[in-house]
Amino acid sequence: AAGVIQSPRHLIKEKRETATLKCYPIPRHDTVYWYQQGPGQDPQFLISFYEKMQSDKGSIPDRFSAQQFSDYHSELNMSSLELGDSALYFCASSLGQGNQPQHFGDGTRLSIL
Amino acid sequence: EDQVTQSPEALRLQEGESSSLNCSYTVSGLRGLFWYRQDPGKGPEFLFTLYSAGEEKEKERLKATLTKKESFLHITAPKPEDSATYLCAVQAWATDSWGKLQFGAGTQVVVTP
Repeated sequence: AAGVIQSPRHLIKEKRETATLKCYPIPRHDTVYWYQQGPGQDPQFLISFYEKMQSDKGSIPDRFSAQQFSDYHSELNMSSLELGDSALYFCASSLGQGNQPQHFGDGTRLSIL
Repeated sequence: EDQVTQSPEALRLQEGESSSLNCSYTVSGLRGLFWYRQDPGKGPEFLFTLYSAGEEKEKERLKATLTKKESFLHITAPKPEDSATYLCAVQAWATDSWGKLQFGAGTQVVVTP
C-alpha cells in the first residue's frame, strides 16, 4: 500500500539558511500534519492542514511556515535556521480531521551546522 | 493541560517473556488513544486506535486495552522483531484542536533471543 512520502530524507544546512521540506500524503488523504522530533524525544506537533486550509497550530516558530497545495501535498518552509532546529521532521496524513489514525512518513533528518 | 505518561521508560525481555506497557493520560475529553511502534530512524508505525473505556484491540502478539485513565499494551510471547520504541498518543476533544496528537515519551522494548 502507498505510504506517506517525504523528501528529502536528509538535509544539511548552515545557520541562517532556509530549508523546504516536502510531504506527499497517502492517496485520498486530505489532512496533513507536521511533527518535530528532537533526539531522544517524542514527536511534537507543529501544524496541520485540512482541505488546503490550516486547521491547527502547535509549537511552530514564526520562522517556519507551511501550506497544503491543490494536490494535497504539503511543504514546510523554514527560514533563519538555528542549531536547535536540528531534528527529525515527520509528516503524517489522515482521511478527514476526525479521530482517524495518522500515518507517518519516515521523516526528513535536518542537521544544522 | 493534557498529559501523557508512559512507563516503564525501557524494558528488556527474553524471547517468549510476556509483559505490559502502561500509558497514563490526563485529557479534558478523549477523542482517541493511539499506539504506534517506532524503529530507529523511521516514522511511527500505526498499531491501534482506542476510543472508549473497555475497548480492546488485538494484532498478532499485541493487545491494547483502555480504561478512563490509562491504556495498556500487552506483548504476549515477544520475538526479537518486536524490539522497538512503543509510543502512546492521545487526541483530545477541543474547540481549537482538530486532530493533533500529544505523544508520551515512549517505552523502548528490547527482546533478546
